[in-house]
Amino acid sequence: DTGVSQNPRHKITKRGQNVTFRCDPISEHNRLYWYRQTLGQGPEFLTYFQNEAQLEKSRLLSDRFSAERPKGSFSTLEIQRTEQGDSAMYLCASSLALGGNTEAFFGQGTRLTVV
Amino acid sequence: AQKVTQAQTEISVVEKEDVTLDCVYETRDTTYYLFWYKQPPSGELVFLIRRNSFDEQNEISGRYSWNFQKSTSSFNFTITASQVVDSAVYFCALRGTGGYQKVTFGIGTKLQVIP
Repeated sequence: DTGVSQNPRHKITKRGQNVTFRCDPISEHNRLYWYRQTLGQGPEFLTYFQNEAQLEKSRLLSDRFSAERPKGSFSTLEIQRTEQGDSAMYLCASSLALGGNTEAFFGQGTRLTVV
Repeated sequence: AQKVTQAQTEISVVEKEDVTLDCVYETRDTTYYLFWYKQPPSGELVFLIRRNSFDEQNEISGRYSWNFQKSTSSFNFTITASQVVDSAVYFCALRGTGGYQKVTFGIGTKLQVIP
């Protein structure tokens, strides 16, 4: 399977715990995105990487959230001191920039439930 | 600021009927990209189409067709002869150009095709 891969698919955690999600983009895609989707809503942009550089961050990304893409390949999204409001589907997407804009391909997401 | 409005939150049709999903967008960019994605119950966002703002030609792909009208800022999606497998949530999305890669999604339209 050469699509975007996200792990884990589901995560249940207690409030106050830290969680980390991983995204493996499509091979050779240099752009990687994180989105959050709550029930009944469309995905909301969180952050974007071009190679290893984090170029854009949404105001939704509070200081409890941190994302990395250390070698320009896979990415991790960490949420510290989780709150019930963090419960959502976290989607990762990747795209290839070739001097223009191309469509993003999404993974199946990680569903986080904070209890 | 960018905004995507999908006024229809849920639509039910009987199999083989045609159905049109509406999308209205707002942007200050003169060049932008519009997308439609399908989200089946499995959760993964499946890319359907990308349309550049300078290309107003309508597009047909099998049972799917898209009507882009810049004058009314609309990018509507029609499924002809709907099938049960078309049941999903459909998202319209918008991305501007320039130094940012944020995609703004609409709230989604849940389509249920009844056999």
